[in-house]
Amino acid sequence: DVKVTQSSRYLVKRTGEKVFLECVQDMDHENMFWYRQDPGLGLRLIYFSYDVKMKEKGDIPEGYSVSREKKERFSLILESASTNQTSMYLCASMPYLADGLYEQYFGPGTRLTVT
Amino acid sequence: DAKTTQPTSMDCAEGRAANLPCNHSTISGNEYVYWYRQIHSQGPQYIIHGLKNNETNEMASLIITEDRKSSTLILPHATLRDTAVYYCIVRVQAGTASKLTFGTGTRLQVTL
Repeated sequence: DVKVTQSSRYLVKRTGEKVFLECVQDMDHENMFWYRQDPGLGLRLIYFSYDVKMKEKGDIPEGYSVSREKKERFSLILESASTNQTSMYLCASMPYLADGLYEQYFGPGTRLTVT
Repeated sequence: DAKTTQPTSMDCAEGRAANLPCNHSTISGNEYVYWYRQIHSQGPQYIIHGLKNNETNEMASLIITEDRKSSTLILPHATLRDTAVYYCIVRVQAGTASKLTFGTGTRLQVTL
């Protein structure tokens, strides 16, 4: 079974802190994604990566950066956390397939609270 | 990508078929229909996808109308564990990674 793990289920940080959210997948997938989920807004894509050291902005990249130094690990960084970044953060991975089947495998999520 | 419209919520009695509709009237010829679901406190889970033919797997069936402007996800015998938010997504099949745009989905409540 594909496993996507996230470093924390719950995290509380203070405004202005630098925050790292880590995601690791064990299936050698090329593609990895970071989403945030807020009530009434559904899932929104922050960043994605289709290869090591490659990244693409999603719909809401402002206030975030990412790092992909190894294939299995995709990190989301909040340079200076703000209260409007309080949210559920979901990581996903997906293999590259010639036919492009979009089966993304999601982690359990990290609920981040910024106070 | 084509936009999708789904009802906000639906109820279904346990053991009955749950039929979840999705409207995608602006879908283009090379766009697939995907369904995911998200059970409370978990990440979304892929269910099924299709282009124009009806599809069935161990989880569900997908019925796509002939004009492809709408589709229905069918859970043939809903159980309490099927209570979740169901997302209908339309996406071009492409070779490199690209995003899935999740809307707000349909909240399905399965009741005894």
